[in-house]
Amino acid sequence: EAQVTQNPRYLITVTGKKLTVTCSQNMNHEYMSWYRQDPGLGLRQIYYSMNVEVTDKGDVPEGYKVSRKEKRNFPLILESPSPNQTSLYFCASTSTPGQGNEKLFFGSGTQLSVL
Amino acid sequence: AQKITQTQPGMFVQEKEAVTLDCTYDTSDQSYGLFWYKQPSSGEMIFLIYQGSYDEQNATEGRYSLNFQKARKSANLVISASQLGDSAMYFCAMRELLQGGKLIFGQGTELSVKP
Repeated sequence: EAQVTQNPRYLITVTGKKLTVTCSQNMNHEYMSWYRQDPGLGLRQIYYSMNVEVTDKGDVPEGYKVSRKEKRNFPLILESPSPNQTSLYFCASTSTPGQGNEKLFFGSGTQLSVL
Repeated sequence: AQKITQTQPGMFVQEKEAVTLDCTYDTSDQSYGLFWYKQPSSGEMIFLIYQGSYDEQNATEGRYSLNFQKARKSANLVISASQLGDSAMYFCAMRELLQGGKLIFGQGTELSVKP
């Protein structure tokens, strides 16, 4: 089954404790991206990757890191989480953006709480 | 800078009636793609429909159609014959194709279908 898998589904942590949210897709997609969702603000893009070893900032990259060493994986790293990073996070992937009739496949989301 | 605006935070519709969810966008690029996604209370993001800026016909997918008015920069979603299962949050999104991987979302519209 074609899917984007995010883990964990829920995460509670404390300020300053490094964490990683994993994202993996099995569709051989070149493009992967991360979003955070906050009430009243919709989804905002954190980082995206057009291919292996190619990453770029979205609209809200501060406080986050990503890496794309393999095509299928795109982890989101919070080196020193703060309470304002409490949010619902989504990973997504698609084959080649901009080629027409594209469809973004989303993971099931990670609800992060930073105390 | 690209921008997406959904002016209806919440809407109600009677079951079996049609409903239009508004989306306006702002871009100076000629090549872009527009998307609608549905987010039910379970939290998953479900792709509904895509419209390319050069597509001459309005996109349709089953009960969903996109009313694309390029000169007015609007991309409204029309849901025909509403069902109770259509109750959800709906997000409009845009990618400027020259920007590659950047994707922005509107704030969302919460649709409630009444029996």
